[in-house]
Amino acid sequence: GNSVTQMEGPVTLSEEAFLTINCTYTATGYPSLFWYVQYPGEGLQLLLKATKADDKGSNKGFEATYRKETTSFHLEKGSVQVSDSAVYFCALIPLTGGGNKLTFGTGTQLKVEL
Amino acid sequence: NAGVTQTPKFQVLKTGQSMTLQCAQDMNHNSMYWYRQDPGMGLRLIYYSASEGTTDKGEVPNGYNVSRLNKREFSLRLESAAPSQTSVYFCASSAIERSSYNEQFFGPGTRLTVL
Repeated sequence: GNSVTQMEGPVTLSEEAFLTINCTYTATGYPSLFWYVQYPGEGLQLLLKATKADDKGSNKGFEATYRKETTSFHLEKGSVQVSDSAVYFCALIPLTGGGNKLTFGTGTQLKVEL
Repeated sequence: NAGVTQTPKFQVLKTGQSMTLQCAQDMNHNSMYWYRQDPGMGLRLIYYSASEGTTDKGEVPNGYNVSRLNKREFSLRLESAAPSQTSVYFCASSAIERSSYNEQFFGPGTRLTVL
């Protein structure tokens, strides 16, 4: 079956530090990959996505590259801000047989301190 | 344009009570979804509706029923609540069902506690 594995949190960083949140997946074929962000007390918002190998998704200074050879989609940001504190979810939709149903990782909480 | 709205925001039930969680979207989306979010488990799909008039089970459907009332509204019903159903419930919608390219838009969630 399909699955997503994320690094466990919480991750605590100082403002302007470099961020990496690891995500690896298991799926048949080449799924579409997503990062969603959940700010405190809110629903999930799409942060970025990539739909084929070697695609790079980017938004708000965050980036993730679809790596077929390592089945990974790691989230990076060069300089985090306090406002980036949130829970980040990696997710996939399989290319076939999955409709539009997302499979989520368990989420990684990020705390950014001054 | 409110996006996806959910009611109520908070609810406390006693074991055995029933309730319906309401969800509506104003984006003219075909597909709608119900997820539950539990600590350390991410979001898990309960039920989804690919289009008006159709519903299908997701990963964790036991103890729940759904109704796709019309294109805008998708409700989730707990007939006899159990403490294991204490969770945060999210509704989502997307434009097209059989496409891996379509973003899902999420509501703000309903925090349910079953005593």
